[in-house]
Amino acid sequence: GDSVTQMEGPVTLSEEAFLTINCTYTATGYPSLFWYVQYPGEGLQLLLKATKADDKGSNKGFEATYRKETTSFHLEKGSVQVSDSAVYFCALSDRNTGNQFYFGTGTSLTVIP
Amino acid sequence: EAGVVQSPRYKIIEKKQPVAFWCNPISGHNTLYWYLQNLGQGPELLIRYENEEAVDDSQLPKDRFSAERLKGVDSTLKIQPAELGDSAVYLCASSRSRGDEQYFGPGTRLTVT
Repeated sequence: GDSVTQMEGPVTLSEEAFLTINCTYTATGYPSLFWYVQYPGEGLQLLLKATKADDKGSNKGFEATYRKETTSFHLEKGSVQVSDSAVYFCALSDRNTGNQFYFGTGTSLTVIP
Repeated sequence: EAGVVQSPRYKIIEKKQPVAFWCNPISGHNTLYWYLQNLGQGPELLIRYENEEAVDDSQLPKDRFSAERLKGVDSTLKIQPAELGDSAVYLCASSRSRGDEQYFGPGTRLTVT
């Protein structure tokens, strides 16, 4: 069945460091891919998305490229800030399974000054 | 545009008591989701509505959980009776249609003592 696998956390970085959070997926068809962010005490917010192979989603300095050949959608940011501290979830929606969403387990990021 | 509204934000009850959660989705969003989120985990789908019809409730523990979405707008999720293991965050989300990006409410944190 469909699934999403994220790198385990927690991840701790110094301010202005480079961030990569790995995400790979398994899907029967050609899914849409998403990154959501959850700040403490809040619900999930859509960060970025990509709907087809080679698409790059970007927002707030974050970006991720839909790689069909490696079934990956890694999240990157060139210079993290303390305000980026949150939990990041990779997710997919697969038309072949009725567009059900599948979420990863989340990766906690803490950025220290 | 207003986001997804949920209430209450926090609820503490004793086991065997009933509890209800309310969700008001974004205006015009036909699809509504209820998720369960345990600590350190990603959201797990409980039930999905297309307008007022529950189209995916396979993960809803029907012996104690029930949900309704009257007139295809607001929704209520009920647990009766609550068990200790029900302690979690209950998230509501909505989307324009199935497969589109989902917008989440802040969640209701339930503690069963």
